[in-house]
Amino acid sequence: KQEVTQIPAALSVPEGENLVLNCSFTDSAIYNLQWFRQDPGKGLTSLLLIQSSQREQTSGRLNASLDKSSGRSTLYIAASQPGDSATYLCAVMDDMRFGAGTRLTVKP
Amino acid sequence: EPEVTQTPSHQVTQMGQEVILRCVPISNHLYFYWYRQILGQKVEFLVSFYNNEISEKSEIFDDQFSVERPDGSNFTLKIRSTKLEDSAMYFCASRRLAGALTDTQYFGPGTRLTVL
Repeated sequence: KQEVTQIPAALSVPEGENLVLNCSFTDSAIYNLQWFRQDPGKGLTSLLLIQSSQREQTSGRLNASLDKSSGRSTLYIAASQPGDSATYLCAVMDDMRFGAGTRLTVKP
Repeated sequence: EPEVTQTPSHQVTQMGQEVILRCVPISNHLYFYWYRQILGQKVEFLVSFYNNEISEKSEIFDDQFSVERPDGSNFTLKIRSTKLEDSAMYFCASRRLAGALTDTQYFGPGTRLTVL
């Protein structure tokens, strides 16, 4: 059974800092992994989807990487802004398994 | 930009009552999902639906739950006899392609269900 873990559970950084959020999964035989953003009390906004054949995907200041062999994905956020404050979730979409999320706070 | 919509945004019900949560997926999407998120916990998969039948379901999706696509636009989740532990945020999602796991799922804003 696929287990998805995200570390750290919470992260607080000053504005402008580059940061990395981590996601690990136990079964490396995956087709795709998706990163989401969730604002408090709101739905999930898809950020990036990485297919198993890809090593990374980029959208604006976001870059997600995937290393199937080690069971890890990272979400890199460049030049963080207060508006980036949210919970970031990763999910192995083959099994619809979500991590618990990293709650990010970017301080002005 | 097309989006998944859900109604109501908040539903309060008494234990034992039936509730129906409604979703309108993106119009050209073929695959539909329900998830739930109990406060402070992970998002959990409930069920997927394709071609007017359940494709997959989790162990959470027991006989108290059912899904339906009553017309060409709506997708509903029914809970027959609600329990206190059904209190959660329920998310609907859809994706365009039927056969491709490599397709993005788009989520609705959720319905907060409170069972008293």
